[in-house]
Amino acid sequence: GQNIDQPTEMTATEGAIVQINCTYQTSGFNGLFWYQQHAGEAPTFLSYNVLDGLEEKGRFSSFLSRSKGYSYLLLKELQMKDSASYLCAVRDRGEYGNKLVFGAGTILRVKS
Amino acid sequence: NAGVTQTPKFRILKIGQSMTLQCAQDMNHNYMYWYRQDPGMGLKLIYYSVGAGITDKGEVPNGYNVSRSTTEDFPLRLELAAPSQTSVYFCASTEGAGNQPQHFGDGTRLSIL
Repeated sequence: GQNIDQPTEMTATEGAIVQINCTYQTSGFNGLFWYQQHAGEAPTFLSYNVLDGLEEKGRFSSFLSRSKGYSYLLLKELQMKDSASYLCAVRDRGEYGNKLVFGAGTILRVKS
Repeated sequence: NAGVTQTPKFRILKIGQSMTLQCAQDMNHNYMYWYRQDPGMGLKLIYYSVGAGITDKGEVPNGYNVSRSTTEDFPLRLELAAPSQTSVYFCASTEGAGNQPQHFGDGTRLSIL
């Protein structure tokens, strides 16, 4: 089966850096995604990792360690608009095709 | 190019009623997915499809059915609606099974009373 763990909530200050961790256990790992979801809206894609290491995209970076079953999303220069839920999702090989398994999400509150 | 379109956006059902949630994508994506999201929770996979005529169960398929007669459409059917099915339903699609992200529709907010 699959298990994905993220902290439930985090609070950070505008302009600061925050790291959101995700640990996972899956039988057929085939990539990890991070999505951002504002309240009442659909998730939007942030980043993808399939190999170990850091992927950087502007103010957002994501790190993966496959041997540790661990990823983090790093948000720099926090802005108020970054207040949202951040979902870690693991692509798992199914019987046919791959499917995405989501964690419960981390609610990030950015305060001024 | 509309992306992923879900209808309706909102719906209230009585216990025992049935309905179909519609999902259509115009990106010629092979992979399509249905998720439900309960308040304060992540997305749970209900069913998915890797192409026309092929569907498979996800984590929480009970009480739902799907079909995939065309590449574009992936309707989700609720038979005998129950209060436990009150949720927000998201449909998503992706081009393949690699690093392509899933594109989500705007969701259907369903209440069963």
